[in-house]
Amino acid sequence: DQQVKQNSPSLSVQEGRISILNCDYTNSMFDYFLWYKKYPAEGPTFLISISSIKDKNEDGRFTVFLNKSAKHLSLHIVPSQPGDSAVYFCAASAAGTASKLTFGTGTRLQVTL
Amino acid sequence: DSGVTQTPKHLITATGQRVTLRCSPRSGDLSVYWYQQSLDQGLQFLIQYYNGEERAKGNILERFSAQQFPDLHSELNLSSLELGDSALYFCASSPGTDPRYGYTFGSGTRLTVV
Repeated sequence: DQQVKQNSPSLSVQEGRISILNCDYTNSMFDYFLWYKKYPAEGPTFLISISSIKDKNEDGRFTVFLNKSAKHLSLHIVPSQPGDSAVYFCAASAAGTASKLTFGTGTRLQVTL
Repeated sequence: DSGVTQTPKHLITATGQRVTLRCSPRSGDLSVYWYQQSLDQGLQFLIQYYNGEERAKGNILERFSAQQFPDLHSELNLSSLELGDSALYFCASSPGTDPRYGYTFGSGTRLTVV
């Protein structure tokens, strides 16, 4: 049962444009959502999070949007840079689960020149 | 360097064998998490320890066990290994149990069972 889904395995965007990575979830008990970035041969790196009581959180070039009614969140990267090329994982945490994270399968973003 | 140290980085072993993966959390972090990433899969939660005590358990096989020691380092023991256990095993740590700030991951141990 995949509770967190990233339906696009890959995405290619030109440098300077907006990258939009999408994530859907099924568990209504999730109350925190996070995005991680992963380069080859490294562990995932925390990017940004959002609480379920908010609909937007921004940190520099990264903005996460949450649509609870649609059980959907997205990560916007503006402007995209070649160094953003990586695999992006969406993750979610449910209240009372001691911060256990449930991860999606990832989206590989390639930012081209 | 994330501050979370995992050893070894690579491990090749035969089916039926037993291995131990080691994790040293970031300084000051009390929680340690273990995740498994198989080919083209997301990270699957295995187990969490907080200050030496087991806090949460995922779909961890009975052949797998873990513990967190008084110095807060953790070990993941995998026994009676099967080909399907080949995967990347990540350890992560966090100061407590608040998910808002995410975890800090190590660079992983790549286990290959032949």
